Amino acid sequence: NAGVTQTPKFQVLKTGQSMTLQCAQDMNHEYMSWYRQDPGMGLRLIHYSVGAGITDQGEVPNGYNVSRSTTEDFPLRLLSAAPSQTSVYFCASSQGTGGSYGYTFGSGTRLTVV
Amino acid sequence: RKEVEQDPGPFNVPEGATVAFNCTYSNSASQSFFWYRQDCRKEPKLLMSVYSSGNEDGRFTAQLNRASQYISLLIRDSKLSDSATYLCVVNPHNAGNMLTFGGGTRLMVKP
Repeated sequence: NAGVTQTPKFQVLKTGQSMTLQCAQDMNHEYMSWYRQDPGMGLRLIHYSVGAGITDQGEVPNGYNVSRSTTEDFPLRLLSAAPSQTSVYFCASSQGTGGSYGYTFGSGTRLTVV
Repeated sequence: RKEVEQDPGPFNVPEGATVAFNCTYSNSASQSFFWYRQDCRKEPKLLMSVYSSGNEDGRFTAQLNRASQYISLLIRDSKLSDSATYLCVVNPHNAGNMLTFGGGTRLMVKP
């Protein structure tokens, strides 16, 4: 049981480039989300999805797009990378609704934009 | 005011000590509460949920005080392996699975 798998683990982009961070889970969780973690800022929600075909914005959605075509996959797209998007990105999934269950996190993607 | 606030620390304690962290939250309608542990350069991992009546898991005890809007984590008989950052997490809106994370409290247990 792999849990939540994120790829790549590390990435360096040039300003203006685009890329997709991949996230897949094999636990049949309906809820998936993307967070970024910056020093002194904690984890901030970028986008989330409550099921296939349904996505919504979190606290810091600008510059990012998501889609959820299957229960398993929830990719995060950076449209035109900026140095302010240098961060560690975590994908998380959860069963159920109502926030009663904790999240399972992927191991993260460390992104540097130069 | 941040929705979830924690003292960033670090808390430096000797092995065997008892240490406690507090966390305050701003939304009185919050329904679910958790403590997560995050090791350096690793992902957060669920340590324990926090129930209204308080709960214990081995050396770890979590308490919830709804009137004062804070939760606490007590670690007894600290081990070197407890060194990590502890994240306070709240479901502030009771709408969906959105969780809000505190900035974390860093604990360093020394020999």
